Amino acid sequence: AQKVTQAQTEISVVEKEDVTLDCVYETRDTTYYLFWYKQPPSGELVFLIRRNSFDEQNEISGRYSWNFQKSTSSFNFTITASQVVDSAVYFCALREAAGNKLTFGGGTRVLVKP
Amino acid sequence: DGGITQSPKYLFRKEGQNVTLSCEQNLNHDAMYWYRQDPGQGLRLIYYSQIVNDFQKGDIAEGYSVSREKKESFPLTVTSAQKNPTAFYLCASSRFPGFNNEQFFGPGTRLTVL
Repeated sequence: AQKVTQAQTEISVVEKEDVTLDCVYETRDTTYYLFWYKQPPSGELVFLIRRNSFDEQNEISGRYSWNFQKSTSSFNFTITASQVVDSAVYFCALREAAGNKLTFGGGTRVLVKP
Repeated sequence: DGGITQSPKYLFRKEGQNVTLSCEQNLNHDAMYWYRQDPGQGLRLIYYSQIVNDFQKGDIAEGYSVSREKKESFPLTVTSAQKNPTAFYLCASSRFPGFNNEQFFGPGTRLTVL
């Protein structure tokens, strides 16, 4: 069965610090998709990124970057120069190619203090 | 604007009552989903539907029921058989099939049992 683990339940940083969120996954499929979502205090989940299992290139989007390592089954997310607006809960999720179901990790709450 | 709407935003239920949560999308997505989120936890899949007039149980379907009579609509009924229904409920949709199928989420309904 597929599983996603986000070991950090809460991270607190001061504005402009970098913060890295860990995500470790388990799957028996060779083809799968990994996602990161942001949940601000309003509650609605916002899609951030999708990564295919056969594409191990790291990605950067503005202050966000993602490090995908199949060898360690990890898909970590870094926010550079954090801002107060980054305060939210961040979820990592896994979808196996055979289905359309997402399995979510428990989430990491990020608190950025001014 | 295209998107997903959920109503109501807040819902209060007395014990023993059935309640129905609304979810509507105008994204022309084939697949729709219902998730439950408990405080400090990740999302758990209740039901999902890949096409009209068809739906499957997720990981925690007991005490819930759904229908999919129209492509745009996927209402969720929380029945009296659900022993602990107080939670935040999120509806989502995605294109299906296909690889470009990240899920888009609605704003959620917070259900409280009095």
